[in-house]
Amino acid sequence: EVQLVESGGGLVKPGGSLRLSCAASGFTFSSYSMNWVRQAPGKGLEWVSSISSSSSYIYYADSVKGRFTISRDNAKNSLYLQMNSLRAEDTAVYYCARARIAVAGTGVFDYWGQGTLVTVSS
Amino acid sequence: DIQMTQSPSSLSASVGDRVTITCQASQDISNYLNWYQQKPGKAPKLLIYDASNLETGVPSRFSGSGSGTDFTFTISSLQPEDIATYYCQQYDNLPTFGQGTRLEIK
Repeated sequence: EVQLVESGGGLVKPGGSLRLSCAASGFTFSSYSMNWVRQAPGKGLEWVSSISSSSSYIYYADSVKGRFTISRDNAKNSLYLQMNSLRAEDTAVYYCARARIAVAGTGVFDYWGQGTLVTVSS
Repeated sequence: DIQMTQSPSSLSASVGDRVTITCQASQDISNYLNWYQQKPGKAPKLLIYDASNLETGVPSRFSGSGSGTDFTFTISSLQPEDIATYYCQQYDNLPTFGQGTRLEIK
């Protein structure tokens, strides 16, 4: 059974940093690109970042470019999102999602984690 | 960025009704269009991929059609468990989602 479990969310002050993790199991993690998608409270879905299966290709939404860094460790079956210079508008539930393809920046998101809440507030 | 315009933003229908949601892309995306269902407090769930393909395990009352810029998602006979918000998503370029359609029971 495919499972994606996010962790690392919490309350952080504006300008602060947070690192999210996503632990994957039940599939060959190194064969798939992975994504972060967020949802602000009461709002719709926003794609944040994507990383290819081998980490060769990485893409970001303009809203987080230069502040967020996506990475993965295929040996640990884990996906990460380092979030720096956080703003109030980054407050959201952050989901990791598997894309049904090895290439980054595209794809069908066929499995999602349960999400982790990030709150940016003073 | 490719903009996805979904309509309506909310919809109220009765059990057994046929429900249709539309999604329009700002440019030609071929059939690179997916539909997701999200229930309150839960992660999105893939229902339809590549515009018209039903994901494994998804009831056949759900269907999708379209190509190019105009797409349609249909529930042939609304069931109480279908109450959710539905999103389209394109992946011809970096992924973008429609703004969502909140479906309620009348």
